[in-house]
Amino acid sequence: QVQLVQSGAEVKKPGSSVKVSCKASGGTFSSYAISWVRQAPGQGLEWMGRIIPILGIANYAQKFQGRVTITADKSTSTAYMELSSLRSEDTAVYYCAREGGVPRLFDYWGQGTLVTVSS
Amino acid sequence: EIVLTQSPGTLSLSPGERATLSCRASQSVSSSYLAWYQQKPGQAPRLLIYGASSRATGIPDRFSGSGSGTDFTLTISRLEPEDFAVYYCQQYGSSPTFGQGTKVEIK
Repeated sequence: QVQLVQSGAEVKKPGSSVKVSCKASGGTFSSYAISWVRQAPGQGLEWMGRIIPILGIANYAQKFQGRVTITADKSTSTAYMELSSLRSEDTAVYYCAREGGVPRLFDYWGQGTLVTVSS
Repeated sequence: EIVLTQSPGTLSLSPGERATLSCRASQSVSSSYLAWYQQKPGQAPRLLIYGASSRATGIPDRFSGSGSGTDFTLTISRLEPEDFAVYYCQQYGSSPTFGQGTKVEIK
C-alpha cells in the first residue's frame, strides 16, 4: 500500500523560506514522479511543480519559477519542496502527490502540510 | 495555460438523486487528459476518474465520466451520504490545472 507522509505544520515570517518533506513507502519511489500541489484556505488546487526522482529532474509551474525548489533523496524515499520569499498569500495546505505512471495524474496524495505565513 | 471552469458552483441534492457536474476547458484537452477528484473536508483529494471516462481503482460504478475536447461531465447516478463533497476536474497536460470545484451538498 503506497503511503506518502508529510512533515508537520509550519509557521513562518514573511520573507523567509519553508521546506516541506514527503516520505514515500509501499512502492518504488524512484520510478514515479512526485508533484506538489497547494490549496489556500477555502480555495482550489494549484500545481506547483514535479520531480522525477530517478532522473533528479524537476520542472516548475511558471508562477513559482525562481521561488520553489523541488528535490528528492532516493536513499530515504523522500521528496522535498522548498518555497522562498514567503508572503501571506502563500498560506496554504501543501500536498505531495504521486504520479502513478501517467504524467501529472495523481493517484496517491500525502496528508497535507499547513504552512502559515504571518508576521 | 488551460483554464477549467466548473459549474455549478454548488449543487444541492438529496441522497438517491442524480448529480451532474460540468467542466469546460478554455481550449481542447489533448487525448482526453481530463481527471476528476473528490475532496472531503480536512482530507486530501482522491482520484475518481481519469482519461475523461475511466474509473480509478476501487471507485464505485455510480461514478461515471464523459466528454471530450472542451466539455466534460462527471455523473453520480445515485448519491450516497458519503458522496457529499467538493469535486475538482483537472487537465494533466504539460502544465496541469484544476477547476475551481463544485460542492455537492445535502439539500
